[in-house]
Order: sequence, then structure tokens, then C-alpha cells
Amino acid sequence: DGGITQSPKYLFRKEGQNVTLSCEQNLNHDAMYWYRQDPGQGLRLIYYSQIVNDFQKGDIAEGYSVSREKKESFPLTVTSAQKNPTAFYLCASTMGDGLGLTGELFFGEGSRLTVL
Amino acid sequence: AQSVTQLGSHVSVSEGALVLLRCNYSSSVPPYLFWYVQYPNQGLQLLLKYTSAATLVKGINGFEAEFKKSETSFHLTKPSAHMSDAAEYFCAVTSPQKLVFGQGTRLTINP
Repeated sequence: DGGITQSPKYLFRKEGQNVTLSCEQNLNHDAMYWYRQDPGQGLRLIYYSQIVNDFQKGDIAEGYSVSREKKESFPLTVTSAQKNPTAFYLCASTMGDGLGLTGELFFGEGSRLTVL
Repeated sequence: AQSVTQLGSHVSVSEGALVLLRCNYSSSVPPYLFWYVQYPNQGLQLLLKYTSAATLVKGINGFEAEFKKSETSFHLTKPSAHMSDAAEYFCAVTSPQKLVFGQGTRLTINP
């Protein structure tokens, strides 16, 4: 079955440590996205990529980094510079390069990061 | 910049009652609008979308939404609530190259 796989589902991290969240899709989608979800704040865009080897900052990119070396993979690194990293992280993808976005966003099941 | 506002962070209805979740949008161009549903600890799933065809859009699980340009609204409705409808619902609007989401409305169904 086609879909988006995020791992790990739950992750605990000590302050000062970097952590990488995995996102893999087998939908042959060009565009991929990372959103952060906090209670009462909806989803906020961290980074997005419309094509391999290219990505753009979203609204809250500070303290995060991404790479897009393969079409099917878009890992997110939460660095020690992110001041409040505890959150639910969602990866998504869509057909085409995302321009206009008249299509549907397909989401993974999310990764919950807790900083101890 | 395009944005959406969801009125009410929490809505509670009785099983069998009408469900109404409110969403108003702000857009400088004709918008594409979406409603997504999220069950606990899961990703989001598309309920329905408006892409400038019919103003009344039917989605999955008996939900529908009506695009009203004069009111800049895209409210989500369901005639009769079911216990399985309990979830969080997000309205979203297209902004160049991305979707912008509202804050979400948590729907609780009372037996």
C-alpha cells in the first residue's frame, strides 16, 4: 500500500541533543512538507521541498534543518537551537510540485517528540 | 497572505444532533479550501475540498461544506452526529506553494 511512513512514533530527548525524524513516502510525490502541531495552535509549516535537492523555509524554520537527497525521503533534524522542541511533528506530501496546491495533502501518522 | 479562522476551539453536541463547525477565510485571490479530520495521535485525513466548482461540497462520512463568498465562510456540517465523529477538525486554505491551517476545533459527541 502506498503511503507516508514516519519514524519513530515516540521519541524522548535530553536538552542539548539533536534528533532526526524520518519521513519516507512511496506515492511518487514531488512535494513534501514538515508541520509542527501544538495544542490550540493548529499546524505550522517548518520546511517544504518541491523537488529533490531543493527546499524552502516555512513559517517556523529556526532551530530545524532538512535534506532532500532522494525523492521519497525528507528527514527533519530538530537541533539544540530549537528552544521549545516538544511537539507533534507531521510529514506530508502532494502530487506535482505543490504549486497552487489544488490537490490533497497526504499525511503520515506523526512523531511525538518530548524533551526531558 | 491567506489565512483561516476557526470559530470555537471546542464544540460539543449530542449524538444525532446537527454538527456545525465554523471557518472563515481571508484570501486576496479565489481560494481553494479544505477540511481535514484528525483522530488522536494520528495524521490528518482529507474530509472534503472546494476548488471553485460547486459551492456545496460533499465529503466523506456524511460531511458537507458550503462556500459562501459574500460571507468569506466555508462552514462544515453534518445532519446527524455519530460517536465516531469525535475528533479534531481543521480548516485550511491554499497559499502559494503551501496550505495554511486554522487552529482546529475539537468535536465531542455526548451519548
